[in-house]
Amino acid sequence: GAVVSQHPSRVICKSGTSVKIECRSLDFQATTMFWYRQFPKQSLMLMATSNEGSKATYEQGVEKDKFLINHASLTLSTLTVTSAHPEDSSFYICSALQGASSYNSPLHFGNGTRLTVT
Amino acid sequence: AQSVTQLDSHVSVSEGTPVLLRCNYSSSYSPSLFWYVQHPNKGLQLLLKYTSAATLVKGINGFEAEFKKSETSFHLTKPSAHMSDAAEYFCVVSAFTGGGNKLTFGTGTQLKVEL
Repeated sequence: GAVVSQHPSRVICKSGTSVKIECRSLDFQATTMFWYRQFPKQSLMLMATSNEGSKATYEQGVEKDKFLINHASLTLSTLTVTSAHPEDSSFYICSALQGASSYNSPLHFGNGTRLTVT
Repeated sequence: AQSVTQLDSHVSVSEGTPVLLRCNYSSSYSPSLFWYVQHPNKGLQLLLKYTSAATLVKGINGFEAEFKKSETSFHLTKPSAHMSDAAEYFCVVSAFTGGGNKLTFGTGTQLKVEL
């Protein structure tokens, strides 16, 4: 149980275009999802917290107009990288919180999306 | 405030020998602690978690970790390494602060398993 599906796994796009990444909780409802960015050989950097039915909360330094997050249902959150540039190339990972938000609730992660902007 | 320190960025062991991945934490609140594993180009998979119950926690794939409050440590161990254990391992601390839940990730430990 507790499967999170992230799609696509890899995407290559041209500079200036937009890319949408989907994160779905397949067998549970997730009121809260998280989006991370991971640079090579580094840990995960939290970009934003996505709450169903409300605006996402962005971490300091993350441009909300560039990284659009939509969490329209209890099983789907999307991250759209708008006007992508080569420096946006990275590994993006989503995670979902199963059940009520609690500090001892584990996160369930998607398999990540490798974005390459040419 | 809270932080996580993974003391080794790389650990190399021979197949069949014990594994020790070290993690120290600090937290102003009673934390929960997790270990996750990440294989190349994949998301993170939960290995085990500590949530103020038993201090010795058993996880999947033969891994276990012991919470030692006096040493502020949560080291991950496995008696006998397997080739399939080669991956990146992250120690994570979670605490409910006045501003809500906060997760802090360690910088990761790359485990290499040699024949």
